[in-house]
Parts: sequence; structure tokens; C-alpha cells
Amino acid sequence: DTGVSQNPRHKITKRGQNVTFRCDPISEHNRLYWYRQTLGQGPEFLTYFQNEAQLEKSRLLSDRFSAERPKGSFSTLEIQRTEQGDSAMYLCASSALNSGTGELFFGEGSRLTVL
Amino acid sequence: TQLLEQSPQFLSIQEGENLTVYCNSSSVFSSLQWYRQEPGEGPVLLVTVVTGGEVKKLKRLTFQFGDARKDSSLHITAAQPGDTGLYLCAGGSGAGSYQLTFGKGTKLSVIP
Repeated sequence: DTGVSQNPRHKITKRGQNVTFRCDPISEHNRLYWYRQTLGQGPEFLTYFQNEAQLEKSRLLSDRFSAERPKGSFSTLEIQRTEQGDSAMYLCASSALNSGTGELFFGEGSRLTVL
Repeated sequence: TQLLEQSPQFLSIQEGENLTVYCNSSSVFSSLQWYRQEPGEGPVLLVTVVTGGEVKKLKRLTFQFGDARKDSSLHITAAQPGDTGLYLCAGGSGAGSYQLTFGKGTKLSVIP
């Protein structure tokens, strides 16, 4: 399978705990994105990497959120001191550097439930 | 802030019927994409339109980008149960920004 891979697919945690999600993009894609989707809403942009550089961050990305892509391949999204409002599907997507119109290829998502 | 409004929010139709869903904005987008998402899965790209007035067909699906690049429509002919899902439109603003703005989606149910 050469698509975008995310894990874990589901995570249930207690409020105040830290969680980390991993995304493995399509291997030849330089661009990697994190989006968040809550029930009844479309995906909301969180952050974007080109290779290892984090080039854009949404104001939705509070200080408790940090994303990394250390070697320009896989990425991690960490949420510290989780709150119930963090419950959502966290989607990773990748795209090719020469994709001028920005078509995104999404993973299956990591669903977070904060109790 | 660029917003995309999709209508209707929910649509339930019988197999074989035709339908159109809409995606509207007051902002101009450099490109517009349509995705379909099934429960518990990530969105899957259906089509990208970039030129005002552009029409693209994908089997029974017809996509149109408005002349002013502010709106788009998706028309499905002879809907089938396999068309059931959440249809999302997403706009790209260009100008060096690679984030997409998504609408809330139209949830389509096609009843056999």
C-alpha cells in the first residue's frame, strides 16, 4: 500500500494526558499537511510542511500542539495536556511539490476521544 | 477569512434520481477541488477545476467552476447507492499559501 498511512487509527485518552499521532506520507511527496475535522464540519487546516520545514501554522494550533517532520519523511503531531475540545479526527495529507493546484491525498485519519 | 458554503447540508434521494450540490463563496479561488468522504475515512479527491467556466466529467459526475471562480457545482446523474457519502468542496487561494479551505460538506444518502 503506497498511500498515506496514519496511526494510531483510534486513541482514547483522559483529559490532561499527552498524545502523539504519526503520519507516513506518499514517499515521493514533499508536502505534508495536518488537518482537524470535528463532527459535522469539513477539515480545518492546522499546519503544513515542505520537506522538513514547517512553513504554515494555523491560529488553531495552540501552544499545546506541536508538529514535526525531522527528516522530511514521516511527521508527528503531539497534543499536550489534552482537553475534551481536542476530540476530533486528525487527518494527514500529502502532495507533490509540482502539484500547482494542491491536490491532497489524505490518510484514513486518527480519531481522538478525550474523556 | 475565506469561507465556502455548501448546500444542501443533507440530501436523501432514491436510486436513479439526479441531483446537484452547490459550493459558494464571496471569495475568488485559484482552484477548487471536490472530495468524497466515507464515515471513518479520509477524504478522497474526485476532481480539481482551475479555470473559470470549466466543466469536468467523471463518469456520472459533472463538475463546474463558476465563471468568476467563486462557486462550483457537482451534478450526479442516475445516483447509485455507492454514491452515498460526504461531498466536500475545497478552495485553494494560491499566492504561496498551500492550505485549502473546506466547506462543511453535503451528506448524500442514496436509497436503493
